[in-house]
Amino acid sequence: ETGVTQTPRHLVMGMTNKKSLKCEQHLGHNAMYWYKQSAKKPLELMFVYSLEERVENNSVPSRFSPECPNSSHLFLHLHTLQPEDSALYLCASSQDSRGTYNEQFFGPGTRLTVL
Amino acid sequence: AQSVTQLGSHVSVSEGALVLLRCNYSSSVPPYLFWYVQYPNQGLQLLLKYTTGATLVKGINGFEAEFKKSETSFHLTKPSAHMSDAAEYFCAVSPSGFNKFYFGSGTKLNVKP
Repeated sequence: ETGVTQTPRHLVMGMTNKKSLKCEQHLGHNAMYWYKQSAKKPLELMFVYSLEERVENNSVPSRFSPECPNSSHLFLHLHTLQPEDSALYLCASSQDSRGTYNEQFFGPGTRLTVL
Repeated sequence: AQSVTQLGSHVSVSEGALVLLRCNYSSSVPPYLFWYVQYPNQGLQLLLKYTTGATLVKGINGFEAEFKKSETSFHLTKPSAHMSDAAEYFCAVSPSGFNKFYFGSGTKLNVKP
């Protein structure tokens, strides 16, 4: 595997389900990100982790819970979601979130549908 | 405050025609500027970036963009569109010294045969 991978690629869940999205980066980066991409809206940054420490949490509802066990893996735990949470969830990584220049590398995304 | 505006959510050009996708930004500090492309059912791929130095930057697939500080713009161009260029394009700004990216709403490029 190379670059940034995400699983599953597609997920359909009910509002009462609990599921998790997984992201893995094979680039040796220190920072990882979760974005939400909804139709006709700019990408929304949800969470930023640098060296496994959460450094950004952009007022995301508590039904989204991130976890970063190490610098290569990032999870997004989902529970009691709403239909408006249906979107493409993108994971990205960069060399270091605190540096002066950080090109971000994106995974293919997980298409989430909440019924 | 930082923001990115992409004029035109949809742009349609004929194959072989000039591609021009517009991006204007606001930033309180000197910015780094990026263009990303997203093909259907895929993540974002970096096309090109401006950090410092030459204001005309060349990227992959024949695209280029020019940083114009006086106009706070970073428009993306390609002299001759190809069918494979059909995708959604995102402009992004990252204020230098900070770790956040601010993305525009995206422009979907349609290339007609």
